[in-house]
Amino acid sequence: KAGVTQTPRYLIKTRGQQVTLSCSPISGHRSVSWYQQTPGQGLQFLFEYFSETQRNKGNFPGRFSGRQFSNSRSEMNVSTLELGDSALYLCASSLDGIWNTEAFFGQGTRLTVV
Amino acid sequence: ELKVEQNPLFLSMQEGKNYTIYCNYSTTSDRLYWYRQDPGKSLESLFVLLSNGAVKQEGRLMASLDTKARLSTLHITAAVHDLSATYFCAVDGEWSSGGGADGLTFGKGTHLIIQP
Repeated sequence: KAGVTQTPRYLIKTRGQQVTLSCSPISGHRSVSWYQQTPGQGLQFLFEYFSETQRNKGNFPGRFSGRQFSNSRSEMNVSTLELGDSALYLCASSLDGIWNTEAFFGQGTRLTVV
Repeated sequence: ELKVEQNPLFLSMQEGKNYTIYCNYSTTSDRLYWYRQDPGKSLESLFVLLSNGAVKQEGRLMASLDTKARLSTLHITAAVHDLSATYFCAVDGEWSSGGGADGLTFGKGTHLIIQP
């Protein structure tokens, strides 16, 4: 069974630009979460989507947003990029995020802002 | 604020030795997760511990959970070089009014190097 797929794997953007990252969860999984990983802050929760609705949100500025489609695929968008947004962005899927919370992670998108 | 503390953060050990990584957390959650991350790679799920006293073993790794002490351990038996990686523990965030847990809160990770 296919795992969590994230695209693209690598991105280089300039400050001030915006970027969209994509995540396809494991088939049948309806909860999709996004995390940012940096050497300084570690792994931090961005937001979680379930049935096309943002159910939970971490402590990130409004420049970070996301959405989920009816097939559970999710995108996250970062606008007005800053150097500090350089990170590995990880998407994770789980069955429902409530009773079945084991999260399976994608390979990540490495974003570099220059 | 929910906190997850791992120790040690860095561990260098020889093949064949045993060692334990500790994970303390501040939430009342009874679910705890262990992940492995190789350099430049994603997170691989190792164990899901769902109740007090849970113990799971896979190969040379064994994880346990004591929810009363808010402590989980990851024990490595007779370490081999292939186990070199960064190991993270994580707990569910606080339950939100929107339903579901408020994301996973991770420890800072234990960078494990096993010398041949």
